[in-house]
Amino acid sequence: RKEVEQDPGPFNVPEGATVAFNCTYSNSASQSFFWYRQDCRKEPKLLMSVYSSGNEDGRFTAQLNRASQYISLLIRDSKLSDSATYLCVVNPGSWGKFQFGAGTQVVVTP
Amino acid sequence: EAGVAQSPRYKIIEKRQSVAFWCNPISGHATLYWYQQILGQGPKLLIQFQNNGVVDDSQLPKDRFSAERLKGVDSTLKIQPAKLEDSAVYLCASSWGSQGNGYTFGSGTRLTVV
Repeated sequence: RKEVEQDPGPFNVPEGATVAFNCTYSNSASQSFFWYRQDCRKEPKLLMSVYSSGNEDGRFTAQLNRASQYISLLIRDSKLSDSATYLCVVNPGSWGKFQFGAGTQVVVTP
Repeated sequence: EAGVAQSPRYKIIEKRQSVAFWCNPISGHATLYWYQQILGQGPKLLIQFQNNGVVDDSQLPKDRFSAERLKGVDSTLKIQPAKLEDSAVYLCASSWGSQGNGYTFGSGTRLTVV
């Protein structure tokens, strides 16, 4: 079993619609969680951290479910510019050794 | 604030040749990471430095890969000899803390081995 698993997609989303996807992690002791965005042929960039209470940043909402060991990302009112691969990142707590999922591809269509 | 600098951006070599990549982290960032990202996969950590010491190199193929960060600032990653399966993007990242605080990636080096 992979340490961090994501549905690779692609999720094809009409502009203006809502899309949500999850990421599961295997290490129950994991301490911090992040969503990164990676555009085609670009480096990953931090989208948002994921807190236990859930957090929202504009059209993006992240949730953490420790009991079921997954995090989620929801994008509301999708824009064409949201088309990217979204990487789930888990920090098990040791020396910043981030573990990356393979990413979920989102394609927003006009 | 200047970002993480990497060079070259692209490199094409033949199998069995050697290649080196360079990374200059954000000023003041003590922790430096090298990742390998194969097409369609997430980044995989190759090696992590804390200042000029190695914290984790458990996934570095040491028979062909080496990395150093002699003065605790910039770093080089070398592959010798290269194999076809080494074709990937090599990403450098840095952070100011050991827990990944302020984690930032460079733009990467895209290596193609033919």
